Amino acid sequence: KAGVTQTPRYLIKTRGQQVTLSCSPISGHRSVSWYQQTPGQGLQFLFEYFSETQRNKGNFPGRFSGRQFSNSRSEMNVSTLELGDSALYLCASTQGANVLTFGAGSRLTVL
Amino acid sequence: GQQLNQSPQSMFIQEGEDVSMNCTSSSIFNTWLWYKQDPGEGPVLLIALYKAGELTSNGRLPAHCIITRKDSFLNISASIPSDVGIYFCAGEAGTSYGKLTFGQGTILTVHP
Repeated sequence: KAGVTQTPRYLIKTRGQQVTLSCSPISGHRSVSWYQQTPGQGLQFLFEYFSETQRNKGNFPGRFSGRQFSNSRSEMNVSTLELGDSALYLCASTQGANVLTFGAGSRLTVL
Repeated sequence: GQQLNQSPQSMFIQEGEDVSMNCTSSSIFNTWLWYKQDPGEGPVLLIALYKAGELTSNGRLPAHCIITRKDSFLNISASIPSDVGIYFCAGEAGTSYGKLTFGQGTILTVHP
């Protein structure tokens, strides 16, 4: 069974640009969550989607958004990038309970 | 909000030694999880604890959650070099879709 797949693995952007990250969950998993990981703040919850609906949202500005498609694949978008958005963005999926399986992450560097 | 205090922040041990790390919460969690993260990878689930007072293990990794559901402990017995990494505890409050509260992590270094 394939794990959680995230693309791209690495990317570099400049301030003011926007970025879209993609996540394919484990087959059969309908819940997808996104986390931001930084050395200073650790792992912070961004949002969760289930059946194309956002069910939960963390404490991030509106520049951070996401969506989920009918096949459970998910994307997150960050607009007007700031230097502080440099982080490892992790996607996780689960069948139901909050025992999350994480992908390898997308490492974003903002210059 | 909910907070998890994880300790120690880092550990330097010799191969073969036993290790213990713990997390303390300001509030109750229904489920406690322990993850390990290797450099350049996402966290990998080691163990999940669902009941107060539960003690379970994943091979050399016994873990338990005490009866109040506010503390959890992970032990590693007879450490080996591949145990190197960052260990995170995480708590789930029950009705928080997809949201885990993570500890700050324990960086484990094992000297051969």
